Amino acid sequence: DSGVTQTPKHLITATGQRVTLRCSPRSGDLSVYWYQQSLDQGLQFLIQYYNGEERAKGNILERFSAQQFPDLHSELNLSSLELGDSALYFCASSLGGGMGGYTFGSGTRLTVV
Amino acid sequence: DQQVKQNSPSLSVQEGRISILNCDYTNSMFDYFLWYKKYPAEGPTFLISISSIKDKNEDGRFTVFLNKSAKHLSLHIVPSQPGDSAVYFCAAVQGGSEKLVFGKGTKLTVNP
Repeated sequence: DSGVTQTPKHLITATGQRVTLRCSPRSGDLSVYWYQQSLDQGLQFLIQYYNGEERAKGNILERFSAQQFPDLHSELNLSSLELGDSALYFCASSLGGGMGGYTFGSGTRLTVV
Repeated sequence: DQQVKQNSPSLSVQEGRISILNCDYTNSMFDYFLWYKKYPAEGPTFLISISSIKDKNEDGRFTVFLNKSAKHLSLHIVPSQPGDSAVYFCAAVQGGSEKLVFGKGTKLTVNP
């Protein structure tokens, strides 16, 4: 157990629907990062939150949004889902401050049918 | 535009031999590099890292080499063990940023 908890582990939904992925960071970590891993692709950075505020944004679609709550857990909202959104979504956390010392969760596998 | 490239999707080696995984990068502003290992149904786990001011970092069976002029790094695993079979991701970070840029990964298979 890495200490980063992601729920649900698996999600199957239809095109056009909206889903919410949840992440609880490791105790004491202030930063949360969301990454997407599509088939045959590396981990693509989506967005980072630090202590409740958006810190950095990557290749995140406008249909996707995220937030970090006062208890530091984070949610990634995916709407108007398309078949191409099927992927593994990873959350990672760190104390912040750079040098990439992330701890990853085990991911949520999203399948859009 | 892929800034971190792992050109070998897979690698197969015999137990006890050396595994060498390669990674190239294009962004000269990267100053810290990491390797992550990923087993199926798990998230990536940190393995070893190296700062751009060094050219080698060793941790047990794992050694990472950095050649800044060639923008190339490699991970050596000696001796390789069947439990090392996993997908290995190379990642880089630029000073002042907390965002890791990952390669696509290399699947290592160590045969008994």
